[in-house]
Amino acid sequence: SQQGEEDPQALSIQEGENATMNCSYKTSINNLQWYRQNSGRGLVHLILIRSNEREKHSGRLRVTLDTSKKSSSLLITASRAADTASYFCATAVNTDKLIFGTGTRLQVFP
Amino acid sequence: GAGVSQSPSNKVTEKGKDVELRCDPISGHTALYWYRQSLGQGLEFLIYFQGNSAPDKSGLPSDRFSAERTGGSVSTLTIQRTQQEDSAVYLCASSSRVLSAGELFFGEGSRLTVL
Repeated sequence: SQQGEEDPQALSIQEGENATMNCSYKTSINNLQWYRQNSGRGLVHLILIRSNEREKHSGRLRVTLDTSKKSSSLLITASRAADTASYFCATAVNTDKLIFGTGTRLQVFP
Repeated sequence: GAGVSQSPSNKVTEKGKDVELRCDPISGHTALYWYRQSLGQGLEFLIYFQGNSAPDKSGLPSDRFSAERTGGSVSTLTIQRTQQEDSAVYLCASSSRVLSAGELFFGEGSRLTVL
């Protein structure tokens, strides 16, 4: 069963705009990760935030984590057409098990 | 190798046949994961290995699915008596972390089509 649910399921924006995706999960976690997937094949790791962290930045990416609400958000600033992809959150439950959410499909129009 | 390698990249088979999917992780990575992704869907966890042992097999959909890992390296996912609902992309990933799930490195997947 899915641990995480992304919201929205799909998002369309213009280049230069910011994109915000949200992830909610059900159980306690060790860490939460965001991944990107192009064309339905391999995923690429974007960023990892630990359960004791509240915010993390990497380039144009900003991730927040609210463990009290069991939610996280991924913000992509100044989006580009090349950011068009599906984005997934993944939560580390117990030790090694990593469970992925349902994904957000982002379309950035030039 | 430089990255996670999966083979075959595409497999078309007839219902009832057995298939084997192979994953060659990044050298030295102790953790190896198998996921399944149906068209337009999220990733469904199947199984993961730490070394050669599989602490969690809870995601395997049925007893037709099995996986093994030998020498702490290559893993094989076997699907017996394939059904049409087994059609999906099977993704493998590896990680160097031992105690808690860290960054996963994914292969390009094996797309299975069962006719």
